[in-house]
Amino acid sequence: AQRVTQPEKLLSVFKGAPVELKCNYSYSGSPELFWYVQYSRQRLQLLLRHISRESIKGFTADLNKGETSFHLKKPFAQEEDSAMYYCALSHKGAQKLVFGQGTRLTINP
Amino acid sequence: KAGVTQTPRYLIKTRGQQVTLSCSPISGHRSVSWYQQTPGQGLQFLFEYFSETQRNKGNFPGRFSGRQFSNSRSEMNVSTLELGDSALYLCASSLGLADGTDTQYFGPGTRLTVL
Repeated sequence: AQRVTQPEKLLSVFKGAPVELKCNYSYSGSPELFWYVQYSRQRLQLLLRHISRESIKGFTADLNKGETSFHLKKPFAQEEDSAMYYCALSHKGAQKLVFGQGTRLTINP
Repeated sequence: KAGVTQTPRYLIKTRGQQVTLSCSPISGHRSVSWYQQTPGQGLQFLFEYFSETQRNKGNFPGRFSGRQFSNSRSEMNVSTLELGDSALYLCASSLGLADGTDTQYFGPGTRLTVL
């Protein structure tokens, strides 16, 4: 069965500190992995996807197939990073996303 | 370009009734997906329509149905409403590409409350 697990519902760090949001998945095959973000009063939006290997707003995520993880990292947190973050997977090319339960990240000044 | 729009934004119904929600995708997008968001179950995929055909389906009972029109606008219908159907219903549109480069753009959601 396809499943995405985000073990932390809440994460609070200080501005300037490193951030890591954990994501583990189970999937038989090679999935596509994504991080979506929802800022306060805004829509859910794509932050980054593993195939792009990009750094968006200072965030990166590496797919570790051995550990079936796709953790989201940022070396220096900023207050505007406070938001709800969802890890998601899909079958390659499919529009069906399986989401984790989300992690609410709060950056303290 | 205009984003994904959903109507209505809020809806209150009673058990046993049926409801229809509407989603207008971004211009040029041919794929529309629907998701249900609840505090307990989180975000769950309902179904996806592409070129007026259901292309993917989640694990929801047959009371949940949808359709897509030739202009790519989509509607979802829930019949015989139950209290547990109270949720935020999100739709997302995309080009519908199968090469892994596609991006789903989400609407603001319709908040359905079943009394």
